[in-house]
Amino acid sequence: DAGVIQSPRHEVTEMGQEVTLRCKPISGHDYLFWYRQTMMRGLELLIYFNNNVPIDDSGMPEDRFSAKMPNASFSTLKIQPSEPRDSAVYFCASSFYNEQFFGPGTRLTVL
Amino acid sequence: KNEVEQSPQNLTAQEGEFITINCSYSVGISALHWLQQHPGGGIVSLFMLSSGKKKHGRLIATINIQEKHSSLHITASHPRDSAVYICAVKGPNYQLIWGAGTKLIIKP
Repeated sequence: DAGVIQSPRHEVTEMGQEVTLRCKPISGHDYLFWYRQTMMRGLELLIYFNNNVPIDDSGMPEDRFSAKMPNASFSTLKIQPSEPRDSAVYFCASSFYNEQFFGPGTRLTVL
Repeated sequence: KNEVEQSPQNLTAQEGEFITINCSYSVGISALHWLQQHPGGGIVSLFMLSSGKKKHGRLIATINIQEKHSSLHITASHPRDSAVYICAVKGPNYQLIWGAGTKLIIKP
């Protein structure tokens, strides 16, 4: 298996633009997590899904953030409109039992 | 007080030294993870354990459930071990609760 796949790896956009981050979990994994990492706040859990259903989105910072998982092999994290303070590395991880496997991350820069 | 506390926050050592990173937690858990993040940014899961001890190469992880404490040890440390080491516990819900990380630098 190729592991968790995220795209794009790097994204640079201007304030106010819509940003969509994508994640393909490891086949057979039933949990999917979206994390954000910044220097100031470290690694934060934004939302996680179980069997494509959002279970806990209490970490989503505000209404500008939304996440979907239309099927077991794909998830998106959307920011609309983006702001400079959204600049961070966004990680997706998937899990079958307990151990989480992380994607390479998407480095987002909002100018 | 944070639910997961790591110590030290920063650690610099010479190549070959024995390294210990500690993690204490205050919530009930079913599993504890040790992860490694290299300067390039990728996150790798090193261990997942719920009791006892695990060993992988020069890395050893132990956990004491009664004391709510875990340690990560690195024997014969090497500059390529330089990274941030993160302790995370699986809390009451499914999500992981993260420690702040320990930045380890091994000098040649």
